[in-house]
Amino acid sequence: DIVMTQSPDSLAVSLGERATINCKSSQTVLYNSNNRNYLAWYQQKPGQSPKLLIYWASTRESGVPDRFSGSGSGTDFTLTITNLQAEDVAVYFCQQYETIPYTFGQGTKLEI
Amino acid sequence: QVQLQESGPGLVKPSQTLSLTCSVSGGSIGSGGYYWNWIRLIPGKGLEWIGAISTTGLTSYTGRTFYNPSLESRISISVDASKSQLSLSLTSVTAADTAIYYCARGGVIVSSTLDYWGQGTLVTVSS
Repeated sequence: DIVMTQSPDSLAVSLGERATINCKSSQTVLYNSNNRNYLAWYQQKPGQSPKLLIYWASTRESGVPDRFSGSGSGTDFTLTITNLQAEDVAVYFCQQYETIPYTFGQGTKLEI
Repeated sequence: QVQLQESGPGLVKPSQTLSLTCSVSGGSIGSGGYYWNWIRLIPGKGLEWIGAISTTGLTSYTGRTFYNPSLESRISISVDASKSQLSLSLTSVTAADTAIYYCARGGVIVSSTLDYWGQGTLVTVSS
């Protein structure tokens, strides 16, 4: 299985500031045939189900504010949230979908 | 707007079989050729993908399943297109299977993200 490791486990950021969450995969999730990284980011707010934020490592899902951005390739990825808002308090997960079984990072808890 | 809703017993005894259903509305589960997934959130451990089933208009691919190897010997996923429902069966449960279970829609290929999720249902394994 591809192991996904996120850092940090938790993060406290002030309103209006930037939050950076890292995700590292144990093997590449870049598929050479189409040059796409099979890496997604999800946001899970308390009491809710996960919500897809980013796919192909850097493409925002429809309706996701442009404060959220994804970057990286191969095995190292980053989710950046700029101008942090109170409603961004959540647990963030990365997921690889290049190889079955799909695997998720352990989650990063973002607090204000 | 696609909506998913999980249902099932909140409490299951050890060694018994857990059976969950996911009702899909806002579109038939049998149309569109999507993959339908089960995922669970284990307390203190995070999200674990359980498996998926495909639904297409191509008979040869209808009902094709993909399971997490760590659970493959104990799980079965099926679709009842007439009821627009997805089902999960997990046998020989232990306390380690205590989790919030989610159903979610994938894409039209197996390697896809999960764009619609149910609210989840908490299952506790305890005697």
